[in-house]
Amino acid sequence: AQSVTQLGSHVSVSEGALVLLRCNYSSSVPPYLFWYVQYPNQGLQLLLKYTSAATLVKGINGFEAEFKKSETSFHLTKPSAHMSDAAEYFCAVIANTGNQFYFGTGTSLTVIP
Amino acid sequence: DAGVIQSPRHEVTEMGQEVTLRCKPISGHDYLFWYRQTMMRGLELLIYFNNNVPIDDSGMPEDRFSAKMPNASFSTLKIQPSEPRDSAVYFCASSLRGELFFGEGSRLTVL
Repeated sequence: AQSVTQLGSHVSVSEGALVLLRCNYSSSVPPYLFWYVQYPNQGLQLLLKYTSAATLVKGINGFEAEFKKSETSFHLTKPSAHMSDAAEYFCAVIANTGNQFYFGTGTSLTVIP
Repeated sequence: DAGVIQSPRHEVTEMGQEVTLRCKPISGHDYLFWYRQTMMRGLELLIYFNNNVPIDDSGMPEDRFSAKMPNASFSTLKIQPSEPRDSAVYFCASSLRGELFFGEGSRLTVL
């Protein structure tokens, strides 16, 4: 079975500061991992995905995430926060042989000017 | 491609009324998912289809909810009768080869 845990339902950072959103996964088989972003009144959009190639994955809008098997983590980072990054972020996992996505509970990112 | 298209975007109805939400997945995608999002429960998977066949409906809350996919380009989620606790944003998503694409959602308010 697969699951993800997002630590911290709310994260606040100052504009220009490092963004770190945490995600830990549990999977009995090699996983595919994803980060999605949701802006107000919109659907979820794919930020980046890990599918067993490079462990450091770069996504849109300057975000990246690193797959660490030893830590079962897939944390999302961005070196410098921008006001437009304020949104809800979801981590998700599927088995590499599967098709059912399991989402975390989401982390709301606030960027303080 | 236009992406996943959902209608209506907003629906306000009274308790006891039937509600039908519609979804057009991305052409060529072989999986279709219905999710519900609320503040209290977050994002919940209700049901998903593979090649128009329902695979797992264990997330459907109760018999008042039903979903169909009569063909590869159309799916419906029906609630009959609706209740205030059904108020939520309902998302349809489609996928191909492990990448999930969401629609803009249908915001349902049941008074």
